[in-house]
Amino acid sequence: TQLLEQSPQFLSIQEGENLTVYCNSSSVFSSLQWYRQEPGEGPVLLVTVVTGGEVKKLKRLTFQFGDARKDSSLHITAAQPGDTGLYLCAGAKSGGSNYKLTFGKGTLLTVNP
Amino acid sequence: GAGVSQSPSNKVTEKGKDVELRCDPISGHTALYWYRQSLGQGLEFLIYFQGNSAPDKSGLPSDRFSAERTGGSVSTLTIQRTQQEDSAVYLCASSGQGAVSNYGYTFGSGTRLTVV
Repeated sequence: TQLLEQSPQFLSIQEGENLTVYCNSSSVFSSLQWYRQEPGEGPVLLVTVVTGGEVKKLKRLTFQFGDARKDSSLHITAAQPGDTGLYLCAGAKSGGSNYKLTFGKGTLLTVNP
Repeated sequence: GAGVSQSPSNKVTEKGKDVELRCDPISGHTALYWYRQSLGQGLEFLIYFQGNSAPDKSGLPSDRFSAERTGGSVSTLTIQRTQQEDSAVYLCASSGQGAVSNYGYTFGSGTRLTVV
């Protein structure tokens, strides 16, 4: 059973379009992070959200943490080819295992020029 | 160093051979992690080191896998008697001490292991 479900698994869009990807769980997380991974590289941290209902913006990217801290979304406005990559969400639990991240399988985004 | 360094970047080995993968974390980062990324499976936690504390080995898939971290810095992941199902990208990450929400992980570029 995958603890964090990401959807869609694959997404191919044209430059300039908007998109939203989702990260859902039945578990509560103390914090949730989004990473982007390009081919042949390791994931790179984009954002951390820690408060239920929190919204963070990073240029054209908007991240939201669900009120119950069980889900998150990433919205990209006017996508660019440079946004192409694998988007991973990762959650951390509170308490003794707060160092350990559980990752979703990712959404592979392709933005065509 | 400026980033997390992993070597080799690619490794092809014959089934049954032992392999060693190396990770050099960011200087000053006390926490070091190994994850495995397989096609369609996402990132799978393997092991966590924090300072001089006992490592969390709960993610190691079998006793063929072991890891050590010498002097609180460089780490080596060893896979003995490799099997084809061990083929994957092995990612190392480091972070500052404390809850991951404070720092996030900095990943290396990974070692792509292929067992033939």
